[in-house]
Amino acid sequence: KNEVEQSPQNLTAQEGEFITINCSYSVGISALHWLQQHPGGGIVSLFMLSSGKKKHGRLIATINIQEKHSSLHITASHPRDSAVYICADYSGGGADGLTFGKGTHLIIQP
Amino acid sequence: GAGVSQSPSNKVTEKGKDVELRCDPISGHTALYWYRQSLGQGLEFLIYFQGNSAPDKSGLPSDRFSAERTGGSVSTLTIQRTQQEDSAVYLCASSPRQGIYGYTFGSGTRLTVV
Repeated sequence: KNEVEQSPQNLTAQEGEFITINCSYSVGISALHWLQQHPGGGIVSLFMLSSGKKKHGRLIATINIQEKHSSLHITASHPRDSAVYICADYSGGGADGLTFGKGTHLIIQP
Repeated sequence: GAGVSQSPSNKVTEKGKDVELRCDPISGHTALYWYRQSLGQGLEFLIYFQGNSAPDKSGLPSDRFSAERTGGSVSTLTIQRTQQEDSAVYLCASSPRQGIYGYTFGSGTRLTVV
């Protein structure tokens, strides 16, 4: 059974700090998603990656397939980055193929 | 449409009443998923539709929950005789087909059972 673990569960930082959120999974995957959920519930897909590194604006996602580990980095963090960040891996098992982490609740203070 | 649309965005209902939650996926997306997110918990898979195939209902928590998808497009999740433990955010997602490509989530329906 695939398990996805995220750390930390909660993170409070000051504006401008470099943020790292980690995700580990137990079963070999086809792809890993990073999702952002703002208060109010809506979810936005940030990245889908199966190897290496992707960058979008101040967000960077990396994945190490051998170590079954992915990280999401936020550079020059801003209060609007405050959200829950969820990693989900697609391993093809189950109807939707996705296993979700429980999320990291990030608060960026001005 | 441009995104996945869910309605209502918020619903407060009395215990024992039935509720219907609606999801309008992205046009052309054949795969549609319902998830539930209870307070402090991760997303819980409920049901999956792929095209005109019979849905995978393996995630539905009880027979009070049902869902249908009409014409391969709009989906309705129905909860009968609601209980307080049904209070959660219900999220819908669609993708072009089952798999790793292009999941798009809706904004969710926050259900509160009082």
